[in-house]
Amino acid sequence: GNSVTQMEGPVTLSEEAFLTINCTYTATGYPSLFWYVQYPGEGLQLLLKATKADDKGSNKGFEATYRKETTSFHLEKGSVQVSDSAVYFCALNSNTNAGKSTFGDGTTLTVKP
Amino acid sequence: DGGITQSPKYLFRKEGQNVTLSCEQNLNHDAMYWYRQDPGQGLRLIYYSQIVNDFQKGDIAEGYSVSREKKESFPLTVTSAQKNPTAFYLCASSIDRGGTDTQYFGPGTRLTVL
Repeated sequence: GNSVTQMEGPVTLSEEAFLTINCTYTATGYPSLFWYVQYPGEGLQLLLKATKADDKGSNKGFEATYRKETTSFHLEKGSVQVSDSAVYFCALNSNTNAGKSTFGDGTTLTVKP
Repeated sequence: DGGITQSPKYLFRKEGQNVTLSCEQNLNHDAMYWYRQDPGQGLRLIYYSQIVNDFQKGDIAEGYSVSREKKESFPLTVTSAQKNPTAFYLCASSIDRGGTDTQYFGPGTRLTVL
């Protein structure tokens, strides 16, 4: 079956530091890959996505590239801010698993001023 | 504004009682989902529905029930058979029945069993 493995947290960084959160996946078919962000006490919201190999998703300074050869979708940001403190979830949807998304366990990021 | 609403935000229940969580969307999405989130863990799928009057069990459906009588509504009932119901419940929807598109989430309902 499908699975997503995320880098374990929590991750604590100083403001303006470089961020990488690793995500690897196992899937059948041709999955779409997503990063969602969850702020405290809220639901998840889409951060970025990529629907085919070599696509790069980007939003708010965050980037992730769909690497089929390494089955990875690592999240990066060049300079984090305190407001980026949240839980980040990597997820995949596969057209062979209709109606079911697979989520990683989430990585908690804390950015200190 | 289009979106997903969940109510109530906080819900308290006594042991042995059933409780229903509301989820409404005005995005005209076909597919809707219910997830459970426990502290420090990812999301686990409870039920999903790809079309009105049809729904499927997810990974942890035991002790839960749903209905999908209208496209915009997908209420979740937590029954007394659910042994550990205290959790954060998230409803989501997507436009694509195949599940390959972005999911849009509501703000969540935090259920506490007293």
